[in-house]
Amino acid sequence: QVQLVQSGAEVKKPGASVKVSCKASGYTFTNYYIHWVRQAPGQGLESMAIINPSDGSTSYTQRFQGRVSLTRDTSTSTVYMELSSLTSGDTAVYFCARDHTNWGSIDYWGQGTLVTISS
Amino acid sequence: EIVLTQSPGTLSLSPGERATLSCRASQSVSSSYLAWYQQMPGQPPRLLIYGASSRATGIPDRFSGSGSETDFTLTISRLEPEDFAVYYCQVYGSSVFTFGPGTKVEIK
Repeated sequence: QVQLVQSGAEVKKPGASVKVSCKASGYTFTNYYIHWVRQAPGQGLESMAIINPSDGSTSYTQRFQGRVSLTRDTSTSTVYMELSSLTSGDTAVYFCARDHTNWGSIDYWGQGTLVTISS
Repeated sequence: EIVLTQSPGTLSLSPGERATLSCRASQSVSSSYLAWYQQMPGQPPRLLIYGASSRATGIPDRFSGSGSETDFTLTISRLEPEDFAVYYCQVYGSSVFTFGPGTKVEIK
């Protein structure tokens, strides 16, 4: 079965960076794009970025340009999301999710990683 | 950039009742790229509907989607206790994924 398993919760100080991992299993890793979506406490969903695991190409939502970076390791079927210059506004649950190919939607989600920014 | 508006913000209904949720886009979108998700507290979202009207794998047939261009609807024909949750619409357009603000369906 398709699974996306994310790394554990993080606490970071303002100005620092965080790197969250997402390990995929149950399907051919390079055949599906991976999204990163975040959700601030009590708020809605916000798309951040997407990566093509096949060639590593990425697309970043404009408001995160220059602060977010996606990479992948095909040997371990893992995608990494690094977010820099953290502020309290970045406190959120970060989800990785698999693209529902050709349908412009997302069919499988990771469990989420809570990132808390606190001085 | 496409902006999605969902209404109502909160829907208070009883089990067994029909729920009708609206999603309006700021510009015409392809029906192929309109999806609905359900999110329970503390859980990731779950894909319910894609392509505006196709149910995702394992989704009960009490969930249905319809609409075109700028107006889309998610209908839950008879609410079950496990359906009380937050529902988000989402669209893909111009290489951007956009989510609506959500509708909370709560028990009356």
